[in-house]
Amino acid sequence: QSALTQPASVSGSPGQSITISCTGTSSDVGGYNYVSWYQQHPGKAPKLMIYEVSNRPSGVPDRFSGSKSGNTASLTISGLQAEDEADYYCSSYTSSSLYVFGTGTKVTVL
Amino acid sequence: QVQLQESGPGLVKPSQTLSLTCTVSGGSISSGDYYWSWIRQPPGKGLEWIGYIYYSGSTYYNPSLKSRVTISVDTSKNQFSLKLSSVTAADTAVYYCASCSGGSCFDYWGQGTLVTVSS
Repeated sequence: QSALTQPASVSGSPGQSITISCTGTSSDVGGYNYVSWYQQHPGKAPKLMIYEVSNRPSGVPDRFSGSKSGNTASLTISGLQAEDEADYYCSSYTSSSLYVFGTGTKVTVL
Repeated sequence: QVQLQESGPGLVKPSQTLSLTCTVSGGSISSGDYYWSWIRQPPGKGLEWIGYIYYSGSTYYNPSLKSRVTISVDTSKNQFSLKLSSVTAADTAVYYCASCSGGSCFDYWGQGTLVTVSS
């Protein structure tokens, strides 16, 4: 199975909105509403930010939102803050009952 | 709240078997509410899903690792384990255990443990 495709880097100024894409196939992202997003700060374990495409776990700020169209899922961070600078990964359930991660996106707050 | 903690050797010789254990607290591994996964991250690289196990023993593995991976569960100790055979330097990574509850994957993570493959 191939990794989901994400842009290597995305940047924005404080207060702006940014969107990270996660492109797969009809056998993963496009076929199931089991797409999740994770935030990872250096030296730390990933933290679940979005699950089932657009649901936020308790405690995650509502600045983080998720959506999906066809084979591409997206994570939008609104009102970008300095602490949002981190690596972000998507994951998806697949038709083989497996999971696959995205290639990862480094978010820089200018 | 579920908490996960990885344990095992930090150094493994090439061609040997990497063995790690994840201890679950704050919940029962046999409750049926969760799938239990292993995920790894080579230094400076992205996340790679290794596989998962259900408390009943059903397992699913990443096809690229399937021939070398075994994940097992010990309900009496509330632990699940990873074995990766015939390791090479390419298996050097931080290994995480994580849980998956229905569509909420992966909701809880261990802190991760670095395993280096070197002679």
